[in-house]
Amino acid sequence: QVQLQQWGAGLLKPSETLSLTCAVYNGSFSGYYWTWVRQPPGKGLEWIGQINHRGNANSSPSLKSRVTISEDMSKNQFSLKLSSVTAVDTAVYYCARRSLVTRGIDLWGQGTLVTVSS
Amino acid sequence: QSALTQPASVSGSPGQSITLSCTGTSSDIGSYYLVSWYQQHPGKVPKLIIYEDFKRPSTISNRFSGSKSGNTASLTISGLRTEDEADYYCCSYAGNDTYVFGSGTKLTVL
Repeated sequence: QVQLQQWGAGLLKPSETLSLTCAVYNGSFSGYYWTWVRQPPGKGLEWIGQINHRGNANSSPSLKSRVTISEDMSKNQFSLKLSSVTAVDTAVYYCARRSLVTRGIDLWGQGTLVTVSS
Repeated sequence: QSALTQPASVSGSPGQSITLSCTGTSSDIGSYYLVSWYQQHPGKVPKLIIYEDFKRPSTISNRFSGSKSGNTASLTISGLRTEDEADYYCCSYAGNDTYVFGSGTKLTVL
């Protein structure tokens, strides 16, 4: 079955750049929007952004200036970079798949807790 | 682009029906048929339970139903069960290939 496996640094200092990568196993990279969502501890979900297999990326207006989402179709991977992190960026970051048919997020990665602390 | 508004908590008894609301604006919920709902149990990843306002994935029980009126979407859970106790999030397309989540509702089954 299709799985998303994500990895990246879990502890950052303020002003550093968060970098996460997500790999798609046993499934097609085409025909979906590959999405990043985060969830601060004890709080709600926040949509960060998405990219499709053609490399068309969009992100939340509130994060747009700091977010870069890219993809490497040859490796079935997509990545998130968030620059100039602060403590408010501490969260569990999820990679996920949004179906172009249903527009719902129907597959999630396991999540990565990223803590920003000096 | 502000988070959609959901009540912080809702409670119900087993067997009852409850409705969770999700209020947005004419720029998101009110403009598109693209509201989805997610169920999240503690320590687990979210699970899609409703998409395109009212459609259900084949694996989701018909006890879950979605609806919408104007800028407000609703999730109704009928025949409440203890396993329905979870956090519920709505999400809407907000134009320009962006999405916005709701603030989340904690459902307690008493």
